[in-house]
Amino acid sequence: DAKTTQPPSMDCAEGRAANLPCNHSTISGNEYVYWYRQIHSQGPQYIIHGLKNNETNEMASLIITEDRKSSTLILPHATLRDTAVYYCIVRPRGGTGFQKLVFGTGTRLLVSP
Amino acid sequence: NAGVTQTPKFRVLKTGQSMTLLCAQDMNHEYMYWYRQDPGMGLRLIHYSVGEGTTAKGEVPDGYNVSRLKKQNFLLGLESAAPSQTSVYFCASSYKVTDTQYFGPGTRLTVL
Repeated sequence: DAKTTQPPSMDCAEGRAANLPCNHSTISGNEYVYWYRQIHSQGPQYIIHGLKNNETNEMASLIITEDRKSSTLILPHATLRDTAVYYCIVRPRGGTGFQKLVFGTGTRLLVSP
Repeated sequence: NAGVTQTPKFRVLKTGQSMTLLCAQDMNHEYMYWYRQDPGMGLRLIHYSVGEGTTAKGEVPDGYNVSRLKKQNFLLGLESAAPSQTSVYFCASSYKVTDTQYFGPGTRLTVL
């Protein structure tokens, strides 16, 4: 079962920032927050991940609250090509046992002109 | 680097036919995975491999077999296709089990 809760859909105007929230209130101290996205008919694409500090890369920024119970993925200047389903996933940072990647239903982001 | 590639991209089978989907990665990853995705649902893990010569069952393994004879390749087989196996199949790989998984473009399979 997915350990995260996301809104089913969001809209964003092209050129504006898209802020996608995720609730993971049961996250444990050794679990990362990962974000993937899936553009229509394509394979899931890794975006970013973090443990407790905010992270930024060329695609997005990840803001994790101090209590780690929620996070926000920020696409600073959304383009039409950012229209996709965005998945927030929590998974362990280490260990030797297999831990599957659980994709929930995600947030469908629609970027409009 | 091509990353993760999958062949074929599309396939139509009749019930009872067999086929093999090929996944290849050039990132020297130890771990490889096969998922299926059905409309309105998230990805479900079929089988995975933790290294050359090893495979293990995921959430929905029935009706599928896999092999990992070479580190870079992971094959998914359907011995007797059924309409319930109509789906989009994604392969993924990662260096370690807890590392980022990189996905292929998918194979769209229709079983009539």
